[in-house]
Amino acid sequence: KQEVTQIPAALSVPEGENLVLNCSFTDSAIYNLQWFRQDPGKGLTSLLLIQSSQREQTSGRLNASLDKSSGRSTLYIAASQPGDSATYLCAVNRNSGGSNYKLTFGKGTLLTVNP
Amino acid sequence: EPEVTQTPSHQVTQMGQEVILRCVPISNHLYFYWYRQILGQKVEFLVSFYNNEISEKSEIFDDQFSVERPDGSNFTLKIRSTKLEDSAMYFCASNTNEKLFFGSGTQLSVL
Repeated sequence: KQEVTQIPAALSVPEGENLVLNCSFTDSAIYNLQWFRQDPGKGLTSLLLIQSSQREQTSGRLNASLDKSSGRSTLYIAASQPGDSATYLCAVNRNSGGSNYKLTFGKGTLLTVNP
Repeated sequence: EPEVTQTPSHQVTQMGQEVILRCVPISNHLYFYWYRQILGQKVEFLVSFYNNEISEKSEIFDDQFSVERPDGSNFTLKIRSTKLEDSAMYFCASNTNEKLFFGSGTQLSVL
């Protein structure tokens, strides 16, 4: 059974700092991996999607890497801002192919960026 | 950007009552899902739906749960006889390619 673990559970940093969030998964037979942002009272917003054949994806100040063989992914946030404060979730899609998703989520990292 | 819409945002019900959670997926999407998150726990997959039938369901999705796409726009999750442990945030999601869009959720409280 796939298990996804995220470290740290919570992180508090001063504005402007670069930071790394970690995600590990137990079964490397994944189709892709996504990083989501969850704000209180709101849904999940997809930030980055990495296919199993890819090593990294970038969007603005965000960079996500994937090492499928070792079961690890990192989310790098550059020059953090108070607006980045949220819970960041890592989720893996099992090796189903196509566009039919069955995501297994980690518990998330609660990020607080202090002004 | 297009949105997945869920109603109501909060639902309070008595144990044993039936509830229906409603979702309007993005109009051109083909795959629909329900996930839930119990307070303090991980987001969990419940069910996926494609071409008017269930594609896959988790162990959580037992006979008390059902899904339906009654018309061309709505996607519903019904819980026939709610239990205390059904209290959770329920998220609807949809996609047609890799990017998955989630609604903002319905907070279900079973008393």
